[in-house]
Formats: sequence, C-alpha cells, structure tokens
Amino acid sequence: DIQMTQSPASLSASVGDRVTITCQASQDINNYLNWYQQKPGKAPKLLMSAASNLETGVPSRFSGSGSGTNFTFTIISLQPEDIATYFCQQYDGLPPYTFGQGTKLQIK
Amino acid sequence: EVQLVESGGNVLQPGGSLRLSCAASGFTFDDYAMHWVRQAPGRGLEWVSLISDDGGSTYYADSVKGRFTISRDNRKNSLYLEMSSLRTEDTAMYYCTKEAGYSTFYYAMDVWGQGTTVTVSS
Repeated sequence: DIQMTQSPASLSASVGDRVTITCQASQDINNYLNWYQQKPGKAPKLLMSAASNLETGVPSRFSGSGSGTNFTFTIISLQPEDIATYFCQQYDGLPPYTFGQGTKLQIK
Repeated sequence: EVQLVESGGNVLQPGGSLRLSCAASGFTFDDYAMHWVRQAPGRGLEWVSLISDDGGSTYYADSVKGRFTISRDNRKNSLYLEMSSLRTEDTAMYYCTKEAGYSTFYYAMDVWGQGTTVTVSS
C-alpha cells in the first residue's frame, strides 16, 4: 500500500502569513493527490483534487502543487476562518486511498 | 441539495456486530461509487471501504477485511456497512462519502455526511 507522510503535524501562524504543508508519497502517484480541510467538530471538506485543482467555491488563497512523490499545499495569506486540520490523500489506481496524518493549523 | 445522512452508530462490546446506514439525496445515487471513511477520536482519517456504482465491486482496508461488508440499495438510495467481530480499535466516527468521479472513474470524495459514532468498549 502507498504511504503518505504529511508534515508538519501542527503549525501556528499569524493572520496574513503564508502557510505551507507538505505531503510525500511512498511511491510515484502522478498527480493523484487531494487535499481536505476539517474544521473542529465537522466533517472533512474536499478543497483540491489532482494536486492543484481547486473545488468550486474554494478561495483562491489556497493552492497546491507537485507531482510524483512530493506535494505542497499553500495558503497564501492565512485568514482566521482557515483554522482547521488539513489532510492529503492519494488516489492512485485502486484502493486503499490512504490519507496523510494531518496538519493542525492554529493562529498564533 | 446533495446530502448524506448516516445512522446506526452505537456503543457495544468487543466481538459485537452493527449495521451502519447512509441515506443519500440530491444526486443520482446509482451513478456514483460510495465510500466509508472513519476517524478514531483525536486521530486522522482512515479510508475503510468502497463500493462501485452498481454494487458489483467492493474494496476494503486490510484492517477491516473479512469483518466488514459494504453494500448498497440503489432503489432506496442507501449505503450500508455491516460490521462484525468488532474490536476496540474500531471505535471511531464513521463517515459516508460520495465519490466525485462519475461511474467507475475514481478520484476524490466530494460529499461527506456528518458521521455516526461507533464505540467498542468492554
């Protein structure tokens, strides 16, 4: 099975900061990488698919990049409503579709 | 409005069995594969199982293979997860999710239910 290593596990940043989260796959997954946002007490929400394709309605301050085994998720200018835990997920081929361990983002 | 509503969560002892249900609305249910994803308290997300749009293909995480069975009733727009030989490590919030890709094209989970809680404890 493909393993996903996400870092950091937690992150504290100020409003307006640029925030970056990385995700590394244990083998080449092309660009079959999604990012989800989970706010406290809520179900996860799909933000981005295929490494960089924003879902409809997701603010443009969110972006993603990468291919192969290394991926990056960026919030260009952190807003208070972005406080959440973010998960990457690989979707290469057939299941299992493994998630990264998550990054808990807090406001400094 | 596209909506998924899970039910059936409960508190039970190790070795027990349980059936989770998920009622879907707002989309053509039999056009999409469906998943179950779980989250243990304070932990990350774990993909559990996938069923194809017609129910003909099913997939499981190794951690539940042989103990859990995913199924669907397209006439009732419903998804199910039969859980048996439950262990304490199965304690989690269980989410029903819709596959974003049409038919057999799988690429993301674009709709999530609010979850139902399963607690396995002696």
